[in-house]
Amino acid sequence: EIVLTQSPGTLSLSPGERATLSCRASQSVSSSYLAWYQQKPGQTPRLLISGASSRATGIPDRFSGSGSGTDFTLTISRLEPEDFAVYYCQQYGTSQFTFGQGTKLEIK
Amino acid sequence: QVQLQESGPGLVKPSETLSLTCAVSGYSISSGYFWGWIRQPPGKGLEWIASIYHTGNTYYNPSLKSRVTMSVDTSKNQFSLKLSSVTAADTAVYWCARGNVKFEYWGQGTLVTVSS
Repeated sequence: EIVLTQSPGTLSLSPGERATLSCRASQSVSSSYLAWYQQKPGQTPRLLISGASSRATGIPDRFSGSGSGTDFTLTISRLEPEDFAVYYCQQYGTSQFTFGQGTKLEIK
Repeated sequence: QVQLQESGPGLVKPSETLSLTCAVSGYSISSGYFWGWIRQPPGKGLEWIASIYHTGNTYYNPSLKSRVTMSVDTSKNQFSLKLSSVTAADTAVYWCARGNVKFEYWGQGTLVTVSS
């Protein structure tokens, strides 16, 4: 089973700042099979990024994904108030899905 | 537009079987894609439970495999989850979702509480 470890656990930033979230896999993950989600309190997770770097429909271009192998990054270029939420990475491999434990992005 | 809707009891007794159904609209399950279940215990992260293809091929989370059964009913365009021998640790919001390698469409989620 591939374990995804996200860091930091909590990130405190101000609107307008840049956010960098990390997702590290215990073994190599195909870039095609790495996704990122945003979840706000009481809401359903929303797909942001798939294939490590492709934005889902309707996702603003301030969100970008990068990485390969075991290290992946979600970057939010300029934080808007609505971006403060929990972010999860997710991988698919060998008929199994796993999620990271999440990074909480909070207002500083 | 693809829409998914979970249904099932909100309260299940310990040791009993949790049963949920996901009705799909806007897309025919028979046309393809894997269809899955994901859950989130209160205050915790997301956990994939299982996925099924319209042919009935299933993938299960190894940690839950002994207790999970998924099935699909293409005539009703829905799929189902059964989780046996539940405990308080199975209390969670359960979502159904569509996805082969990512979960693009989700239901609204349903809270299932395990309690006597």
